[in-house]
Amino acid sequence: QQQVRQSPQSLTVWEGETAILNCSYENSAFDYFPWYQQFPGEGPALLISILSVSNKKEDGRFTIFFNKREKKLSLHIADSQPGDSATYFCAASETGGNNKLTFGQGTVLSVIP
Amino acid sequence: DPKIIQKPKYLVAVTGSEKILICEQYLGHNAMYWYRQSAKKPLEFMFSYSYQKLMDNQTASSRFQPQSSKKNHLDLQITALKPDDSATYFCASSQAGTLNTGQLYFGEGSKLTVL
Repeated sequence: QQQVRQSPQSLTVWEGETAILNCSYENSAFDYFPWYQQFPGEGPALLISILSVSNKKEDGRFTIFFNKREKKLSLHIADSQPGDSATYFCAASETGGNNKLTFGQGTVLSVIP
Repeated sequence: DPKIIQKPKYLVAVTGSEKILICEQYLGHNAMYWYRQSAKKPLEFMFSYSYQKLMDNQTASSRFQPQSSKKNHLDLQITALKPDDSATYFCASSQAGTLNTGQLYFGEGSKLTVL
């Protein structure tokens, strides 16, 4: 049973467009949602995160929109750059859960110049 | 310079053998973790340690044994290797505390192939 689902599996956008990556979860106890970015041959790196008490979090070109009622969230990457081409993982955890993250399967983003 | 060092980066083992994956972190963190990334599967939590003590174990098999000889070390011993153990194993660390921030720092991984 996959508790965190991501869509699409892969996404291609043109440079300058907004990429939208989707994520949904099943466990109502999850209240912390980090997004990680991973380049080939590297480990995942924290990009941006949100707590369930918020419905939006912005950090530069990256924005998380969160809908607690529907158990859905999305990562918007504005003005996409070729350097944003990577795999993006949505993750979820319970605060106080010893950082036991449940990851989605990832979205591979390709940004075409 | 990488702050979390994992060794080796790549390794090949035969079925039934034993391997140890090394992890050292130089971030001053007191919590360390192992995650596994198999082909076509999401990253999976395996273990968490805080102040060198096991906090959580989500690995069903006793063939996987973490070993913490120092505060900034968390090695992973895998015995009786099986082809299904083939994966990239990521070590991670964070500041331990009562509030879970999810801010994990990951190493570059050790890619294990079991033939």
